[in-house]
Parts: sequence; structure tokens; C-alpha cells
Amino acid sequence: KQEVTQIPAALSVPEGENLVLNCSFTDSAIYNLQWFRQDPGKGLTSLLLIQSSQREQTSGRLNASLDKSSGRSTLYIAASQPGDSATYLCAVRLSNRQFYFGTGTSLTVIP
Amino acid sequence: DARVTQTPRDKVTEMGQEVTMRCQPILGHNTVFWYRQTMKQGLELLAYFRNRAPLDDSGMPKDRFSAEMPDATLATLKIQPSEPRDSAVYFCASGLTGLRSDTQYFGPGTRLTVL
Repeated sequence: KQEVTQIPAALSVPEGENLVLNCSFTDSAIYNLQWFRQDPGKGLTSLLLIQSSQREQTSGRLNASLDKSSGRSTLYIAASQPGDSATYLCAVRLSNRQFYFGTGTSLTVIP
Repeated sequence: DARVTQTPRDKVTEMGQEVTMRCQPILGHNTVFWYRQTMKQGLELLAYFRNRAPLDDSGMPKDRFSAEMPDATLATLKIQPSEPRDSAVYFCASGLTGLRSDTQYFGPGTRLTVL
């Protein structure tokens, strides 16, 4: 079974700082990897999706990278803002259609 | 602004009762997912439909849970009988899955409390 780990579980940074969130997975035979954010009491919002053949994806201040061989992905957030405060989850899809989510990193950006 | 809708938003019931949760996927989407989220287990995939056909429900307890798509605009998740350990937030998500697309759009969730 695929295991998806996110470290750290919680992170607090001052506004304006650049930060990196980490996601690691045990089975490198993935189909794709997605990063989501979840606001308290809400559903998940997809941020970036990286196909297995890709190395990175960018959207605005967000950049996600994928290294299948090492079983790692990172989400880089540039110039963090208080509105970025949320829980960030990564999800791995295996070729057999199974989706596995990490437990998330809770981010707080302090004004 | 197309969204996935879920009803009810909150449900409190007693052990042994039947619970039905409903989801309206975004019009035109061909995949529907049901997830359960708890503090202990995180987010778990329960069932996955494509073009209304169940593709994977291996994450779902078969003895008490059932998921269906009576039509393209409605997905249901039923628990009968419910147990306290079923207390969780249940999310529905829909997407347009093709060769290169897997983006899922989540609904707001149904918070279920079984007493």
C-alpha cells in the first residue's frame, strides 16, 4: 500500500517569507501527484497537478516539483501572505486508480 | 460558477439509523469520488465512479456502505446501519478525467455524527 507522508505537520512563518512544503511517497509507480489546500470547515481546492512524466508545475506564486525516483514532491510558496494560511495536502494517484492522501501540513502565515 | 453540492451539510443521527448523503457533481464531469476524512485516518477514498459506473470501491466497508449514481446529476452514499465509528466528514468530488486530466473539484462536505 502506498504511504504518503507530509513533513512538517505544522508550520508558522512571517508574512513575505518563501517556504517549502514536503511530501514523500513509498511507491514510485505513480500516475500523477496533486497538491490541494483545505481551509477550515471546507472541502479541498486543487492547486497543482503534476503528471508522472513532468518534473514541475507552476501557478502564480506556487511551484510544485516531482522527483519520482526519490519518492518526493515539494510545494514552494513564494512571498507568503496571510491568505495562504490553510492545510496543504498532497495526493498520489497510482496507475491502478487508487488515490492516497497525505495527512497535510497546517500553514499559518503571520501578518 | 460551477460547484459540487452536497446535502445535508450536517447530520446527527443515532447508532443503527440509515444515513443517505447526496452529491450533485459539476455538470459535464464524468467522474465522481467519495472520500471520508477523520482526524485519525486523514482523507480516505471510499468509492470512485466514471461515467456512472463504479470503478473502485475497495476503500468502502461493503457490509454497511453503498454508493450509487442513479443518474449523471446525482451520486449517493448510504450507510445502513450507521455506527459511531462512521462519524467523519464525507466529501464528494467530481472531475473530468481523461488521459491528461485528473483535477478533482471538492464539495463542502457532509459532517456526520453518529451517537
